[in-house]
Amino acid sequence: AQSVSQHNHHVILSEAASLELGCNYSYGGTVNLFWYVQYPGQHLQLLLKYFSGDPLVKGIKGFEAEFIKSKFSFNLRKPSVQWSDTAEYFCAVNANTGTASKLTFGTGTRLQVTL
Amino acid sequence: GAVVSQHPSWVICKSGTSVKIECRSLDFQATTMFWYRQFPKQSLMLMATSNEGSKATYEQGVEKDKFLINHASLTLSTLTVTSAHPEDSSFYICSAVWAGGANVLTFGAGSRLTVL
Repeated sequence: AQSVSQHNHHVILSEAASLELGCNYSYGGTVNLFWYVQYPGQHLQLLLKYFSGDPLVKGIKGFEAEFIKSKFSFNLRKPSVQWSDTAEYFCAVNANTGTASKLTFGTGTRLQVTL
Repeated sequence: GAVVSQHPSWVICKSGTSVKIECRSLDFQATTMFWYRQFPKQSLMLMATSNEGSKATYEQGVEKDKFLINHASLTLSTLTVTSAHPEDSSFYICSAVWAGGANVLTFGAGSRLTVL
């Protein structure tokens, strides 16, 4: 079974600070990796995803994530956060089977950006 | 783009009653939908995989007789919480796979259930 671990539960940053949120997964096979964001009162939205190829993936709103296979990690980064980035961030993984398969989510990281 | 709609977005019911939540893919067909449950300040826990035209596949620990899932068409899956109790109060979220989205899930806005 696959599992996802997010180490930071609550992160508080000032605007313009750099962000890195940790995500590690456990699964024996090939995986697809995702970061989702949930803004207050809104539904989950996809930030970025990794299926294969370049391990450094860029997503929306200036976010990027790097897949390091040897470390089973897929950390999310942003060089300079904005107040509007305040949200809950979820890392997720599913088995790369070529068909739709269930996502396993991490526990989420709540990011609070202060002015 | 792919849009998933959930209804109702918020429901309050008395203990012992049943509540139905609908999940619709508005502009695409979804042979597979997933139902998640999210407790306050916690992650999403997969409850079941809903397959059009066949029985849902439930995750371990999820009572299939309590959480009835029906996926009668390619655009609609329903979750019925039967004989609801206060501990069933939660945020229920559905998602669907959009074929054009390369195995990426599109999520509904969720349905908040409060059982009194």
